[in-house]
Amino acid sequence: AAGVIQSPRHLIKEKRETATLKCYPIPRHDTVYWYQQGPGQDPQFLISFYEKMQSDKGSIPDRFSAQQFSDYHSELNMSSLELGDSALYFCASSLNPSGLARVQFFGPGTRLTVL
Amino acid sequence: AQTVTQSQPEMSVQEAETVTLSCTYDTSESDYYLFWYKQPPSRQMILVIRQEAYKQQNATENRFSVNFQKAAKSFSLKISDSQLGDAAMYFCAYSGVNNDMRFGAGTRLTVKP
Repeated sequence: AAGVIQSPRHLIKEKRETATLKCYPIPRHDTVYWYQQGPGQDPQFLISFYEKMQSDKGSIPDRFSAQQFSDYHSELNMSSLELGDSALYFCASSLNPSGLARVQFFGPGTRLTVL
Repeated sequence: AQTVTQSQPEMSVQEAETVTLSCTYDTSESDYYLFWYKQPPSRQMILVIRQEAYKQQNATENRFSVNFQKAAKSFSLKISDSQLGDAAMYFCAYSGVNNDMRFGAGTRLTVKP
């Protein structure tokens, strides 16, 4: 079965640079979530989209922005990168979040390293 | 705000034995979902089991089962017949009306041969 695809899998950037992470949800899933997992920490919710509209916002810095496109893929744009942004970034997808569709399926993550 | 607490940073179990991982949560919502995710060294987040709050029956998935105590806001995971492949970080997670997932700090499970 198709899973959530994230690209790139690894990314190395310098401080103050920008980065774009991409997420391709499971086919027919219309909701996308972004999470940030720092070293030794639990994943922290950043932002989510349902039907191309932002549905919920968590602890996402103002330097970050995201959007969901007409084909339901999503991109997380990160500017003015800081050392503390080094983390594993997960994307998860689900169906219209109701009932059992609340199960979120996670992608493999993008490991971002800021030097 | 909803919070999820895992009070056991590390747990250890002998292969083929049973282990229980604890999780408590705090919420004022009546409709929510609880999950256990497994994160092996590959860092992939793998769904282990889920529980709908409105269901009184505890969820089971093969060797994995939960003890859901809604009034006590407790959601523990029992792993029976532990296998070496069960070694991983286990996260308890809550999903409420906003659908975003709130995770506990995790419990690192070691399985001894």
